[in-house]
Amino acid sequence: AQKITQTQPGMFVQEKEAVTLDCTYDTSDPSYGLFWYKQPSSGEMIFLIYQGSYDQQNATEGRYSLNFQKARKSANLVISASQLGDSAMYFCAMSQEFTGTASKLTFGTGTRLQVTL
Amino acid sequence: ETGVTQTPRHLVMGMTNKKSLKCEQHLGHNAMYWYKQSAKKPLELMFVYNFKEQTENNSVPSRFSPECPNSSHLFLHLHTLQPEDSALYLCASSLRGGSSYEQYFGPGTRLTVT
Repeated sequence: AQKITQTQPGMFVQEKEAVTLDCTYDTSDPSYGLFWYKQPSSGEMIFLIYQGSYDQQNATEGRYSLNFQKARKSANLVISASQLGDSAMYFCAMSQEFTGTASKLTFGTGTRLQVTL
Repeated sequence: ETGVTQTPRHLVMGMTNKKSLKCEQHLGHNAMYWYKQSAKKPLELMFVYNFKEQTENNSVPSRFSPECPNSSHLFLHLHTLQPEDSALYLCASSLRGGSSYEQYFGPGTRLTVT
């Protein structure tokens, strides 16, 4: 069975600073995907970044980067130059291929990020 | 309309009521999902549909009944719910399978059972 662990229930960061949100995972599947989603207070889950288990390089998307350390089974999200609009819940998730035409996501419990002035 | 839409956004219902949640995706995706998000718990996958066919029922009680008439629409029919069913219900869709395809989520329906 797959498992995602996010050990930081809440984090604070000052505007314009960088912040790292931790995520560790456990799986016996050789092929999997790792995702980060942002959930503002409005409720919608917004896809941020993806890392494949066979990708050699760490994924980056604008101010988001994923620090993937396969041997340690960690997939930390780094947000650079934090903005007030980054305040939200952040979820780490892992996918496994499922029936060939859908995927099955396992989510962590999330980290609430608060960006301060 | 773009992306994944869900209606209603908020719903309050009594335990004896029957209601339905609606989800529509405008992305041309082939798979659709229902998730339940309760306070202080990870998102729980409830149902998965591939090309209108249900491929996963994650031990969900029968008082939740999904329906997928086509690849763009997904419903969750609710009847005789319990107060512990109060949660945010999220719909998602994905283009196809494979672990590399992200799921796109709707804004959710916040359900309160009284």
